[in-house]
Amino acid sequence: AQSVTQLDSHVSVSEGTPVLLRCNYSSSYSPSLFWYVQHPNKGLQLLLKYTSAATLVKGINGFEAEFKKSETSFHLTKPSAHMSDAAEYFCVVREAGYSTLTFGKGTMLLVSP
Amino acid sequence: KAGVTQTPRYLIKTRGQQVTLSCSPISGHRSVSWYQQTPGQGLQFLFEYFSETQRNKGNFPGRFSGRQFSNSRSEMNVSTLELGDSALYLCATTEGGSTDTQYFGPGTRLTVL
Repeated sequence: AQSVTQLDSHVSVSEGTPVLLRCNYSSSYSPSLFWYVQHPNKGLQLLLKYTSAATLVKGINGFEAEFKKSETSFHLTKPSAHMSDAAEYFCVVREAGYSTLTFGKGTMLLVSP
Repeated sequence: KAGVTQTPRYLIKTRGQQVTLSCSPISGHRSVSWYQQTPGQGLQFLFEYFSETQRNKGNFPGRFSGRQFSNSRSEMNVSTLELGDSALYLCATTEGGSTDTQYFGPGTRLTVL
C-alpha cells in the first residue's frame, strides 16, 4: 500500500529566503508524485508532478521538486519565498496503473515580511 | 475551459438529515473523484466515477454514496448525517485515464450541527 509522510506540519520562513518542504513516500511500484497547494477556503491547485521522466521537476510559481528513489523522497523547494506563497502544501502519491490519490497530512507554510 | 464547479459552496445541516452535493467537471472530463477533508484525518478518498460507473471506492460507510450522470456531472449523498461528517468535500476530475492529472474544484463546506 502507498503512503506519504510530510515531515513538517508547519514551516516558517521570511520573505526572500529559501523554502524547503519535505516529503517521503512509500509505494510498491513506480509511483507518480505530485505537490498541490491549497490557499484558505480554496480548492487544490497542482504545483508540479513527477511521472518517471526527469527527476528534477519544475512547477508553477518558481517551485521545483526532486525525485530521489534511493531516499524515497520528493522534497519541494523554492529559492525565494513570496508572501503569496503562504498556504498549505500537500504531497501526493499515485500508484502506477491506479487513479486514486493518497495525500500527506499537509505542511502549512508561513511567510513573514 | 471553465474549471471544476461544485455546488453549493456552503451547507449547514443537522444530525440525522441527508445532503446532496454536486460536481460539474471540466468539459471533456469523464472521471470524477470525491474526497473528504477534515482537520483530523486530512484528505481521504471517497469514490471515483467514470462513465456513470463507480470505478474505485474508499473506506467510508454506506451512508456515503454517489452517482454520475450521462453528462459526467456527479453527485454525492450522505444520509443520516453525523457531527463527524462536517468537512470540506472536494471533487476532482480527469479525462479518464489512470495517469491523468486530477483537477480540483473549490469544495463544498458542510457543517453538521
